[in-house]
Amino acid sequence: AQSVAQPEDQVNVAEGNPLTVKCTYSVSGNPYLFWYVQYPNRGLQFLLKYITGDNLVKGSYGFEAEFNKSQTSFHLKKPSALVSDSALYFCAVRPQGAAGNKLTFGGGTRVLVKP
Amino acid sequence: AAGVIQSPRHLIKEKRETATLKCYPIPRHDTVYWYQQGPGQDPQFLISFYEKMQSDKGSIPDRFSAQQFSDYHSELNMSSLELGDSALYFCASSLSGGPRDTQYFGPGTRLTVL
Repeated sequence: AQSVAQPEDQVNVAEGNPLTVKCTYSVSGNPYLFWYVQYPNRGLQFLLKYITGDNLVKGSYGFEAEFNKSQTSFHLKKPSALVSDSALYFCAVRPQGAAGNKLTFGGGTRVLVKP
Repeated sequence: AAGVIQSPRHLIKEKRETATLKCYPIPRHDTVYWYQQGPGQDPQFLISFYEKMQSDKGSIPDRFSAQQFSDYHSELNMSSLELGDSALYFCASSLSGGPRDTQYFGPGTRLTVL
């Protein structure tokens, strides 16, 4: 069975500073990895995904993530955080070749960007 | 761009009542997924449909059932509601149900069971 860990419940960062949200995963075989963001009273918005190829994936709103197979990690990064980036971030995994379609989510990391 | 539509957005029910949640996928998307997100928790997969057939099943209680219709919209039917069913229910859709597909989520239906 697959699992995702987001070790930090909350990340605090000053506006303009780099932002990193950590994610590690466990799957049998190779993974497809996703990041979503959830604003209050809103649905999950897709940010980016890793399928294959370049380990550095660029996504929406200036976010990027780096796939590291040896460390089984897929950390989300943004070079310069904005106050509007304050939200709940979820990492999710789906094993390649899995029979089902479901995404398995991590517990989420709340990001607070202070002006 | 058109997004996933869910209705109603909010629903309040009493214990033992029934509820029906509706999901309208992004146009041309043929796969629908349902997730349940409890307070302070991550979304948990319930069930999915591809081309009107159930394609995967997760931790969906027997009291719940779902289907996908010919126009690809989906309905989640919940009976004998319990207090623990109070949650945010998300529907997501994707283009073909393949493992590489991005699932696009709707705004959710917040169900409160009193």
